[in-house]
Amino acid sequence: DVKVTQSSRYLVKRTGEKVFLECVQDMDHENMFWYRQDPGLGLRLIYFSYDVKMKEKGDIPEGYSVSREKKERFSLILESASTNQTSMYLCASSSPAGNQPQHFGDGTRLSIL
Amino acid sequence: AQSVTQPDIHITVSEGASLELRCNYSYGATPYLFWYVQSPGQGLQLLLKYFSGDTLVQGIKGFEAEFKRSQSSFNLRKPSVHWSDAAEYFCAVGTFTGGGNKLTFGTGTQLKVEL
Repeated sequence: DVKVTQSSRYLVKRTGEKVFLECVQDMDHENMFWYRQDPGLGLRLIYFSYDVKMKEKGDIPEGYSVSREKKERFSLILESASTNQTSMYLCASSSPAGNQPQHFGDGTRLSIL
Repeated sequence: AQSVTQPDIHITVSEGASLELRCNYSYGATPYLFWYVQSPGQGLQLLLKYFSGDTLVQGIKGFEAEFKRSQSSFNLRKPSVHWSDAAEYFCAVGTFTGGGNKLTFGTGTQLKVEL
């Protein structure tokens, strides 16, 4: 069974801090994704990666960056956290075939004070 | 660009009643379509998926969905709802961009089940 693990379930940080959210998958998937989820807005794609050291912007990349140094790990970085980045963050992975679903972690609820 | 509309934000049904959650998509080619469910405090779990072939697809937990190209719809159904089905449901359309598949999600439908 696919396992996508997010390092923290809950995280509280202060405005201006640099924040790292970590995600690890155990299925050797090439593709990895970061979403944020807000009430009434569904899931919005922040960044995704098709392979190691590759990254592409999603729909809402502003204020975020990512790192993928190893195939199994995909990190989301908030360079200077702001209160409007308080949200639920979800990581997902998939194989590259177009008909394969994405598998999700349990999410990190991030609060920026 | 692709988009997904879930017109019902909240739905309440009685336990044992039938359920239909609506999903409409916009996409130029034959879509890859998915339904996911999210229980409180959890990530998303795949319920079912459609790529081609039979337009009625079966999923886990007794759910099914029907792809109707003429209506650009992919509605989720269950003949008899259980209290444990209370959750948020997301419809998504997948697009293959050469390097991999991206998903565009609807805004979700929150299902409440009355006992």
